[in-house]
Amino acid sequence: AQSVSQHNHHVILSEAASLELGCNYSYGGTVNLFWYVQYPGQHLQLLLKYFSGDPLVKGIKGFEAEFIKSKFSFNLRKPSVQWSDTAEYFCAVYINTGGFKTIFGAGTRPFVKA
Amino acid sequence: EAGVAQSPRYKIIEKRQSVAFWCNPISGHATLYWYQQILGQGPKLLIQFQNNGVVDDSQLPKDRFSAERLKGVDSTLKIQPAKLEDSAVYLCASSYRSYNEQFFGPGTRLTVL
Repeated sequence: AQSVSQHNHHVILSEAASLELGCNYSYGGTVNLFWYVQYPGQHLQLLLKYFSGDPLVKGIKGFEAEFIKSKFSFNLRKPSVQWSDTAEYFCAVYINTGGFKTIFGAGTRPFVKA
Repeated sequence: EAGVAQSPRYKIIEKRQSVAFWCNPISGHATLYWYQQILGQGPKLLIQFQNNGVVDDSQLPKDRFSAERLKGVDSTLKIQPAKLEDSAVYLCASSYRSYNEQFFGPGTRLTVL
């Protein structure tokens, strides 16, 4: 069955440190890829997305992600985190297996120390 | 534009009772989703509508859960009877097309005692 794996479920960082959150999926066909973020007390919202073209995509708040097709990965990065980046981050993969579906990973919750 | 609306925001019921959740998607969004999010896990798709037709309900426990989207706009999700393991946040989301980004509502936190 198709699945999405997120690594480093809990991460503790200091401000200005670099952040990288892993996302791997198990599906060999064409995919659309998303990272969503949920700040404390807020709705899930889109951080960035990849459909096609340049595999390095930039999103809001200085985040970027790189699609590596050969590794089935879509890792999220930010060069210098802020305290306000403390949130839960979800990777999601849209696939077409005769029916369209979006599969979410379990989420990663980095905690940024001020 | 107005976002996805959900009600109620919180609900506490006893096991074997029934409960219903309501969702109003963003105007013009053809695709509507209901997710179940258990604490510490990612959202799990329960059912996906395209206009008023069901596209995917493979993970919906059909013996107790039902959902409808009359007229292709608002949707309701019902649980009858509820079990302890149904305690979760129920998220509604909508998108213009199924491959586009999804816009999420605030969710309904259900506690089954």
